[in-house]
Amino acid sequence: GAGVSQTPSNKVTEKGKYVELRCDPISGHTALYWYRQSLGQGPEFLIYFQGTGAADDSGLPNDRFFAVRPEGSVSTLKIQRTERGDSAVYLCASSTRTGVLGYTEAFFGQGTRLTVV
Amino acid sequence: DQQVKQNSPSLSVQEGRISILNCDYTNSMFDYFLWYKKYPAEGPTFLISISSIKDKNEDGRFTVFLNKSAKHLSLHIVPSQPGDSAVYFCAASAINSGYALNFGKGTSLLVTP
Repeated sequence: GAGVSQTPSNKVTEKGKYVELRCDPISGHTALYWYRQSLGQGPEFLIYFQGTGAADDSGLPNDRFFAVRPEGSVSTLKIQRTERGDSAVYLCASSTRTGVLGYTEAFFGQGTRLTVV
Repeated sequence: DQQVKQNSPSLSVQEGRISILNCDYTNSMFDYFLWYKKYPAEGPTFLISISSIKDKNEDGRFTVFLNKSAKHLSLHIVPSQPGDSAVYFCAASAINSGYALNFGKGTSLLVTP
């Protein structure tokens, strides 16, 4: 497909388990962003990749959260020891244009709905 | 703390009329503002943006106004169409300070025929 693909679309996990959320950006897009959206809230920034490196990870809430993008394409968001408060929709976006101005050309995926029970 | 606020959770407008969605921000360092539109079960879609050096930006039926002294921006949709029914998010950033967008909680717009 031509858009940003996120898998799985839904994930239910038990408290304390480890989960991985995958984002396949649009081919050739250098910039990649992760956000999470809790119920009734707007999206909240987690991390921004420029190529393979995390240029800004200031939004990761704690050290249970980690993200990688080893080849500058697919990215994986990893959450250890999940807690009920981690339940949210995790959104990924990619753009050809880097930085904040990249948001004007960014495409978001449909998100992964994570539920921790 | 919420640095971008959309105080109206919902808005209902008749088709053909003007829709005005409002947004306030608290951080004076913000210098770039965007509006996104979101349909259920889809990711947000970029609509229109404005830099702090401007006070107005227009794109077709959509116009964004920025009042820096009041730390307020608004999105006008004229004329409103039923397909405009969606959740609208206001977002703000400080271009030279990281790469995060700060989003409001959104306003759900319903355009009735």
